[in-house]
Amino acid sequence: GEDVEQSLFLSVREGDSSVINCTYTDSSSTYLYWYKQEPGAGLQLLTYIFSNMDMKQDQRLTVLLNKKDKHLSLRIADTQTGDSAIYFCAESAFNAGNMLTFGGGTRLMVKP
Amino acid sequence: EAQVTQNPRYLITVTGKKLTVTCSQNMNHEYMSWYRQDPGLGLRQIYYSMNVEVTDKGDVPEGYKVSRKEKRNFPLILESPSPNQTSLYFCASSRGQGGTEAFFGQGTRLTVV
Repeated sequence: GEDVEQSLFLSVREGDSSVINCTYTDSSSTYLYWYKQEPGAGLQLLTYIFSNMDMKQDQRLTVLLNKKDKHLSLRIADTQTGDSAIYFCAESAFNAGNMLTFGGGTRLMVKP
Repeated sequence: EAQVTQNPRYLITVTGKKLTVTCSQNMNHEYMSWYRQDPGLGLRQIYYSMNVEVTDKGDVPEGYKVSRKEKRNFPLILESPSPNQTSLYFCASSRGQGGTEAFFGQGTRLTVV
């Protein structure tokens, strides 16, 4: 099946920028997503990007997509302790009925 | 309020004792899915449903059953649970194809002893 891969762990200091990276293998991916999971909670959609876009910005969040390299990144500016969570990259494709394929998740720890 | 509701949130059971985890959504979504979340593996899809009476296997369907008799409900059934089904389970629903947002339930933490 298709793969989505992420690094397991990222630690940053409060106020710094965080960059979480993701690679995927499905060349027919239509949408790529970033979800946030706080402890004991379900997944919350942070943002998504259509595959014909290179970049999307939403307040402190910037998503960059390199379709040629199948690489997606999420940058969080001015990272706060409340940003500590697990971040999941996911992709979906029209020809797969919009079924989501998730990466393993990156645990972001923000140190004061 | 738009939501996906799972019950129970926590469940401890014994090997072989049939159980059902319920999932209900109030958004009239056609698509519903079940995932299990295990450390380092992310979320893996168990089963999905594109509409009433239409279900299909995901990546890890062994040991699970589902049904979709009504649009709003999509229960997950474990006929004979085993310890390797100890996991965190999520139900999700979405409007349809093409980048639509998937709404997730709060999760059900299942322990099989």
